[in-house]
Amino acid sequence: GAGVSQSPSNKVTEKGKDVELRCDPISGHTALYWYRQSLGQGLEFLIYFQGNSAPDKSGLPSDRFSAERTGGSVSTLTIQRTQQEDSAVYLCASSWDSNEKLFFGSGTQLSVL
Amino acid sequence: GQQLNQSPQSMFIQEGEDVSMNCTSSSIFNTWLWYKQDPGEGPVLLIALYKAGELTSNGRLTAQFGITRKDSFLNISASIPSDVGIYFCAGQLYTDKLIFGTGTRLQVFP
Repeated sequence: GAGVSQSPSNKVTEKGKDVELRCDPISGHTALYWYRQSLGQGLEFLIYFQGNSAPDKSGLPSDRFSAERTGGSVSTLTIQRTQQEDSAVYLCASSWDSNEKLFFGSGTQLSVL
Repeated sequence: GQQLNQSPQSMFIQEGEDVSMNCTSSSIFNTWLWYKQDPGEGPVLLIALYKAGELTSNGRLTAQFGITRKDSFLNISASIPSDVGIYFCAGQLYTDKLIFGTGTRLQVFP
């Protein structure tokens, strides 16, 4: 499809395991964001990629969190040694250049047992 | 991380009523936006505002960019059941990353 695609849609993991979440942005979009949304909460900024610039990692909550964006397209968010408090919906969004009009994926629901 | 303050946190209204919500920031923005999130989905852009004092409508929705550039307002007239969801404001300064509000959860009863 033409929208932002995230996979998996649901992920259940055991505490201490590593997980990888994938985001396929809309083709041609140079800006890509990751947000975290805990149950009933707002959107917590995690990381922002814009073209070839160094990513803004200021929102990553700990060094267990990292993200890559290969070839200016697909992005992977990795959480190492998952903790129960990492359980949340992880949303990816993309936009043209640094345009404010973001297009969101449906998110990955992460549950850490 | 930084978030904008939205109020109210939640609203429970009857179908047909009008709704007002607002968003405030401690710093100024060049652009204010309003998004809506349906259950199980990502947020979708409703309205974008680019100038202090600007008033923009999209159907039953009307939003305003505050004169101080530190706040914005969203009104929904004659609410219907499909208005249910979480409404988020967002601000952007030049080409910086978007900062989102804490959200207003709207429930509409028939």
